[in-house]
Amino acid sequence: DAKTTQPPSMDCAEGRAANLPCNHSTISGNEYVYWYRQIHSQGPQYIIHGLKNNETNEMASLIITEDRKSSTLILPHATLRDTAVYYCIARGYTGNSKLTFGKGITLSVRP
Amino acid sequence: DTEVTQTPKHLVMGMTNKKSLKCEQHMGHRAMYWYKQKAKKPPELMFVYSYEKLSINESVPSRFSPECPNSSLLNLHLHALQPEDSALYLCASSQNRDVTLHFGNGTRLTVT
Repeated sequence: DAKTTQPPSMDCAEGRAANLPCNHSTISGNEYVYWYRQIHSQGPQYIIHGLKNNETNEMASLIITEDRKSSTLILPHATLRDTAVYYCIARGYTGNSKLTFGKGITLSVRP
Repeated sequence: DTEVTQTPKHLVMGMTNKKSLKCEQHMGHRAMYWYKQKAKKPPELMFVYSYEKLSINESVPSRFSPECPNSSLLNLHLHALQPEDSALYLCASSQNRDVTLHFGNGTRLTVT
């Protein structure tokens, strides 16, 4: 699975959009980009995934660059409850069922 | 609330004790996972079960013994643990070969 790189931390103001970057420059053509988050004292929570098209669901939007070397997770209106560690993971959709977490980015939403 | 239930939420055990962690899901998922998470670190995969058979063991010491008695239940049997095994133990499930994992909130284990 391709290595992903994320800044260690960022913050944003409540009500504003939070844009979380992820670099995956060695991603291969059949690898998807997955995002999970982990709120303090809880298990990780699936957010969204995509291959090459932009994706949106009720939680977030995922923007993947045309060359697929990087992506951005967008939380359109961050709330205090969005404070968490966000993990960007590149993984093929088939093969053995391993999901490997990197260090993630800690998002702090300030009032 | 999560759809994956882990019990107990907290566990304190001595190094000579035997205990078990339990995990249950009723989503019809056929893959189940154990992860270990130390403080301020990402979760680390320990075991994967697929259709009640162990498919991945990430070189976990034998003092951790997983068991999948049926498609809804996953146990982790603990024996002769060390203080450095203190961690949050997370269970997850998914449709087989799908990496959209559903996690429980974990069992926080302290080994004294």
